Amino acid sequence: DSGVTQTPKHLITATGQRVTLRCSPRSGDLSVYWYQQSLDQGLQFLIQYYNGEERAKGNILERFSAQQFPDLHSELNLSSLELGDSALYFCASSVGVQGEQFFGPGTRLTVL
Amino acid sequence: AQTVTQSQPEMSVQEAETVTLSCTYDTSENNYYLFWYKQPPSRQMILVIRQEAYKQQNATENRFSVNFQKAAKSFSLKISDSQLGDTAMYFCAFMKPPNSGGGADGLTFGKGTHLIIQP
Repeated sequence: DSGVTQTPKHLITATGQRVTLRCSPRSGDLSVYWYQQSLDQGLQFLIQYYNGEERAKGNILERFSAQQFPDLHSELNLSSLELGDSALYFCASSVGVQGEQFFGPGTRLTVL
Repeated sequence: AQTVTQSQPEMSVQEAETVTLSCTYDTSENNYYLFWYKQPPSRQMILVIRQEAYKQQNATENRFSVNFQKAAKSFSLKISDSQLGDTAMYFCAFMKPPNSGGGADGLTFGKGTHLIIQP
């Protein structure tokens, strides 16, 4: 158990819908990262927040957005969902802006 | 942009054997971090080992060790005395230090190597 929690574990929805994935980092970690793992794209970095502020952006679509709240938990919002958004979404956390990242168990999103 | 290449999609070895997984990367950075992550069938991503580029000494963690060749941009993982529980996908990952410019500070992953340990 890495100490990073993600909810829900599984999510099934339809095209065009909007969903919110939630992540709680390890106690004491200030950075939260979001990653997408799909069969065709592999593991891709989406976005990082550090202590409430956006820190870095990767291959995140404009339909996706994220935020980190004062209690340091983070949410990833996915809207206008397409079939290709079906993937495993991981949250990871680290103490600072760099260093070892510890991953949560992931949220499996299925778009039908 | 950084790229990470794992040229072995799948490997299979007998229990107790030693196996080496290959990873090469491309970057113009001088300082960076390299990692190996393990993803068993449960899909959990587990950090196996890390290496800082400025350290010449190869990192080791129990049965896991790396061969870091900075000039060759190579970062291989050696698993000694392999066990059935080592069966998993193994991902090599690169991370540049913060504030180094050029975009994302997240991990850049390779495509992975599926390692199967046979009884």
